[in-house]
Amino acid sequence: SAVISQKPSRDICQRGTSLTIQCQVDSQVTMMFWYRQQPGQSLTLIATANQGSEATYESGFVIDKFPISRPNLTFSTLTVSNMSPEDSSIYLCSVEDGGAGGRTDTQYFGPGTRLTVL
Amino acid sequence: GEDVEQSLFLSVREGDSSVINCTYTDSSSTYLYWYKQEPGAGLQLLTYIFSNMDMKQDQRLTVLLNKKDKHLSLRIADTQTGDSAIYFCAERTDSWGKLQFGAGTQVVVTP
Repeated sequence: SAVISQKPSRDICQRGTSLTIQCQVDSQVTMMFWYRQQPGQSLTLIATANQGSEATYESGFVIDKFPISRPNLTFSTLTVSNMSPEDSSIYLCSVEDGGAGGRTDTQYFGPGTRLTVL
Repeated sequence: GEDVEQSLFLSVREGDSSVINCTYTDSSSTYLYWYKQEPGAGLQLLTYIFSNMDMKQDQRLTVLLNKKDKHLSLRIADTQTGDSAIYFCAERTDSWGKLQFGAGTQVVVTP
């Protein structure tokens, strides 16, 4: 399975600032996803990030608030902009393992970034 | 309401079997997954089952799928204290890989 790392692992930020979260995979993958897990809750998909195209956002999430970059097949960033305490969550990236252009229909998750907004 | 439902809590004694249940609503789901999340950690993929299968066994884990009733279960044999975690079931709802998660079942293993 793909090995996924995220930076930072955790952060405490002030209201109104922005934080960029990095997701690095040890192999080339076509599909990358960003999820949010609010305290004590399940995971909600924010957006799907494919290399070379704009991210596709789920209902309730917008590009101005959560801009995403996907410059190559092993890396993606998610920015949480103009943060408020309601953005305090764990943010996780995930990938479909199977190599560039390949899919195995299994999705693996990074360790997550635990964000607290004061 | 949620598309994927799970009971929120399960207490089991060490050495017993645990059964975690999940119901889903999307009959076009192709794959269903079980993930484990330990405190402060990310999600670990435990196992998954293709929708045309009834059962899948992987060491101590047994997944049963009743497609007619849209019911999925995960059985953990010989439950250990290290199995204490939150278990999420998830269904794959489209060909692009979107997963719909349940709320998670907290499993507590007691000595």
